[in-house]
Amino acid sequence: QKEVEQDPGPLSVPEGAIVSLNCTYSNSAFQYFMWYRQYSRKGPELLMYTYSSGNKEDGRFTAQVDKSSKYISLFIRDSQPSDSATYLCAMSEGAQKLVFGQGTRLTINP
Amino acid sequence: DGGITQSPKYLFRKEGQNVTLSCEQNLNHDAMYWYRQDPGQGLRLIYYSQIVNDFQKGDIAEGYSVSREKKESFPLTVTSAQKNPTAFYLCASSISADNTEAFFGQGTRLTVV
Repeated sequence: QKEVEQDPGPLSVPEGAIVSLNCTYSNSAFQYFMWYRQYSRKGPELLMYTYSSGNKEDGRFTAQVDKSSKYISLFIRDSQPSDSATYLCAMSEGAQKLVFGQGTRLTINP
Repeated sequence: DGGITQSPKYLFRKEGQNVTLSCEQNLNHDAMYWYRQDPGQGLRLIYYSQIVNDFQKGDIAEGYSVSREKKESFPLTVTSAQKNPTAFYLCASSISADNTEAFFGQGTRLTVV
């Protein structure tokens, strides 16, 4: 079993829809949770960085962490074609290496 | 502009040759990392360095080598011992090893011909 599980998709939704992206994990020691956006042939770009459980909002993006369920989510409101990319979740115990999910390929259709 | 610069963007290598990928950062970050990304897979850690003149193996270090002689530079050598080197290589840095908020370069696509 992988330490971090993420549905690779692909996920295709119409413009303006609310998108929900998710990851589950098995290591209860993870404390730091990140979401990266990666456009084709580019490096990942850090979108959201959260510590422990709770919600964090930044514009159209909301990250949620539920440590009791070992489940994290990224919500994108009012999705735009420019949001089409691969979204990677990543997490760590702290002073340790990041563990990445497989990435979910998302397409927003105009 | 502050950031992480990887070069070259595309690299072709003949089988049996060593090749070195460059990574430079001007963010004054202590920690630097090398990841490999294959289609349909997440990023896998090759090597990381917490401070100058120090580095540790990651999950898939076999066939790779690194050096960290300067704070801003962390080159990766893909040796002939790496059985399947064709991949997208990503360099990242963070303020310190205690801070895993990592920032990435734009990557180098290595193809063995």
